Amino acid sequence: DAKTTQPNSMESNEEEPVHLPCNHSTISGTDYIHWYRQLPSQGPEYVIHGLTSNVNNRMASLAIAEDRKSSTLILHRATLRDAAVYYCILRDFDSGYALNFGKGTSLLVTP
Amino acid sequence: KAGVTQTPRYLIKTRGQQVTLSCSPISGHRSVSWYQQTPGQGLQFLFEYFSETQRNKGNFPGRFSGRQFSNSRSEMNVSTLELGDSALYLCASSFLAGHEQYFGPGTRLTVT
Repeated sequence: DAKTTQPNSMESNEEEPVHLPCNHSTISGTDYIHWYRQLPSQGPEYVIHGLTSNVNNRMASLAIAEDRKSSTLILHRATLRDAAVYYCILRDFDSGYALNFGKGTSLLVTP
Repeated sequence: KAGVTQTPRYLIKTRGQQVTLSCSPISGHRSVSWYQQTPGQGLQFLFEYFSETQRNKGNFPGRFSGRQFSNSRSEMNVSTLELGDSALYLCASSFLAGHEQYFGPGTRLTVT
């Protein structure tokens, strides 16, 4: 399985942008890059996904490097509710699209 | 639309017993996946069902099994419970395999 590497933790001030990095140097051409987050005491929540092009939705933006070896999840204005563990996951047909969660990045948002 | 529901929310069992957990997916979703979350191992994929067939399986012993019914509801069973099976068991549904998954609140299983 292709692996991802994320910082263990990051800290941000409320109402400031947050850039959460993810390295996936062994990504294959068919791997989709997915981001999920898990708020305290809740199940994981889908955030965004992409293949090659940058993607935007109401929650966040996903910037994918041209060589696809890294990506960045961008929260445009962090709120206290965004404090969560963020997981960067590669999904492909060969692995049955299973979500293989790593350790993720624990994001702390301070007022 | 109602979200993914899981029952029961909390469960206490004794070592050696068996347990059945239930998951009702979002209406119209045909794929159901199960995950185990522990402080030591994090979130680990158990198995995925689609149209009543197990399509994918994680690296767990045969004591862990599941099934899916024609209405897409799913159950997972753990036999001969061990202390290490204490965990939060999460169910997720999606319209099709590979689509975004929507998670339920989980069932907290404690084995004593």
